[in-house]
Amino acid sequence: GDSVTQMEGPVTLSEEAFLTINCTYTATGYPSLFWYVQYPGEGLQLLLKATKADDKGSNKGFEATYRKETTSFHLEKGSVQVSDSAVYFCALSVNTGTASKLTFGTGTRLQVTL
Amino acid sequence: GAVVSQHPSRVICKSGTSVKIECRSLDFQATTMFWYRQFPKQSLMLMATSNEGSKATYEQGVEKDKFLINHASLTLSTLTVTSAHPEDSSFYICSARVLAASDTQYFGPGTRLTVL
Repeated sequence: GDSVTQMEGPVTLSEEAFLTINCTYTATGYPSLFWYVQYPGEGLQLLLKATKADDKGSNKGFEATYRKETTSFHLEKGSVQVSDSAVYFCALSVNTGTASKLTFGTGTRLQVTL
Repeated sequence: GAVVSQHPSRVICKSGTSVKIECRSLDFQATTMFWYRQFPKQSLMLMATSNEGSKATYEQGVEKDKFLINHASLTLSTLTVTSAHPEDSSFYICSARVLAASDTQYFGPGTRLTVL
């Protein structure tokens, strides 16, 4: 079946440090890939997505590239801020007509300190 | 952006009682809504998919008679946990999708259920 594996957290960084959160996937079809972010006390928000190989999703300084050869979708940001502290979820979706469902990784908690 | 609300945000109930959780899309019509369960430090597990006006499709291992889902309108879906037990304590999250062919879901803030 489909699955997503994320690096375990928590990840603790100082402000302005470089961030990488690893994500790899297994899918039977050709998935779309997503990063969702969950800020404290809030629901999940779509951060970025990529729908085909070599696509790069980007938003708010975060980037992730769809690497089919390594089945990866690692999240990166060049300079994190305290406001980036949240839980980040990697997810995939294989569109089977109307039955498109999201499969999530376990989430990685990021804590950014001054 | 699209906003999804959930009510209540937190509920505590006694074992054996039933609890209803509402999920509303506030500024759009949702053809499909999803219900997830999230355990501490674990991922979101899809429980069921509901399309407006039809029966929900439950994931393997989810008891449909225990977790009743109703999607009566394009803006409202409800999850009722019947005869709740302590093991049902969890964080329940709904999401909504606008178009059948879209892969973008908008998530509610979640409901923390504690069964004593």
